[in-house]
Amino acid sequence: IAGITQAPTSQILAAGRRMTLRCTQDMRHNAMYWYRQDLGLGLRLIHYSNTAGTTGKGEVPDGYSVSRANTDDFPLTLASAVPSQTSVYFCASSPSSGRTTGELFFGEGSRLTVL
Amino acid sequence: GEDVEQSLFLSVREGDSSVINCTYTDSSSTYLYWYKQEPGAGLQLLTYIFSNMDMKQDQRLTVLLNKKDKHLSLRIADTQTGDSAIYFCAGGEYSSASKIIFGSGTRLSIRP
Repeated sequence: IAGITQAPTSQILAAGRRMTLRCTQDMRHNAMYWYRQDLGLGLRLIHYSNTAGTTGKGEVPDGYSVSRANTDDFPLTLASAVPSQTSVYFCASSPSSGRTTGELFFGEGSRLTVL
Repeated sequence: GEDVEQSLFLSVREGDSSVINCTYTDSSSTYLYWYKQEPGAGLQLLTYIFSNMDMKQDQRLTVLLNKKDKHLSLRIADTQTGDSAIYFCAGGEYSSASKIIFGSGTRLSIRP
């Protein structure tokens, strides 16, 4: 089934450790995004990429980095995890460029707990 | 920037209509969206409305947009147990989905 695959599904991590959340899409969408979901706060954009080779900062980028070496993959790295980064992380994509509705297609999420 | 607000919880009886409300601040939003998140899953687009429309109906779903009051609502007719989910209101521009702002989500629970 075409869509977005995230890994790992769930992870418990010690504070100070480095962690990379993986995201792969097979829809050939130009744009990809990373959101975090926290209770009462909805979804907040961390980083995005409008096309391979480019990235941009979202609303809450501090402590996170991304890369977009090709169209399909968009990994999110926490260089030194802190407890406030405990959250559910969603990767999304959209067939942007040009006139679209802006619809986002989401992965199933990665639940990260930082102790 | 855009701010989108919605109440956190709604409980309705099975078979009744559910109305989920949302207010937004940025009148330049081109599209307004409703996403549904079922337990343990990602968000899926439920429906959307273009900013120059007042109403959109799709089977059991009716979206109403009051541009003057910057108020968006989602009505689900004949609510079923499968409608239990978190519903997110979002607003943005068609030019880039990176400009879409999500509300905090309304958790809809269905009671028998």
